[in-house]
Amino acid sequence: SQKIEQNSEALNIQEGKTATLTCNYTNYSPAYLQWYRQDPGRGPVFLLLIRENEKEKRKERLKVTFDTTLKQSLFHITASQPADSATYLCVGRDDKIIFGKGTRLHILP
Amino acid sequence: EAQVTQNPRYLITVTGKKLTVTCSQNMNHEYMSWYRQDPGLGLRQIYYSMNVEVTDKGDVPEGYKVSRKEKRNFPLILESPSPNQTSLYFCASSLKLPRLAGSDTQYFGPGTRLTVL
Repeated sequence: SQKIEQNSEALNIQEGKTATLTCNYTNYSPAYLQWYRQDPGRGPVFLLLIRENEKEKRKERLKVTFDTTLKQSLFHITASQPADSATYLCVGRDDKIIFGKGTRLHILP
Repeated sequence: EAQVTQNPRYLITVTGKKLTVTCSQNMNHEYMSWYRQDPGLGLRQIYYSMNVEVTDKGDVPEGYKVSRKEKRNFPLILESPSPNQTSLYFCASSLKLPRLAGSDTQYFGPGTRLTVL
């Protein structure tokens, strides 16, 4: 079946370091991937989109990559801050929208 | 301010008592969708609508109904709620059907936490 998989374990990163989150997809060829941020009890908020023909996208301290050979997207937050602590969702878009279950990120002061 | 609103934000009800969760967007978006989010399962799509009077089932439509009589509103109806419908519900909208737009963003509402006893 089509899947978007993210690391279900929480990721703890020291403040100031780079946080890297992984999104893998199987049996699926998304035309593009999106990354959303979700805070507890709140709706997801869009962060970045990357198309299948793009290798890398940046926005301020955020960077996302898309490797169609590895079927993987990496999401990086550089110079991480405690305010970056949240759950990050990877979403694949093709004929079908598929959400990953998200990775909880904790930035430790 | 561009936004998606949902009401109520919190609801506790009993099995079998019909309820409606309203969703409204002020961005003139064509595409609207309902999701439920459960621990360990992530977001799952219940129903979506590509435009007025056009609705279709998502991945988990059983026990739910929707309607799209106006572009801005997309209510979610539970005719006979059951405890397994206890969940956090999100409404979302985007300008057009994802993929047709090529690079579309979904805007999510604040969520409705529903408990069915």
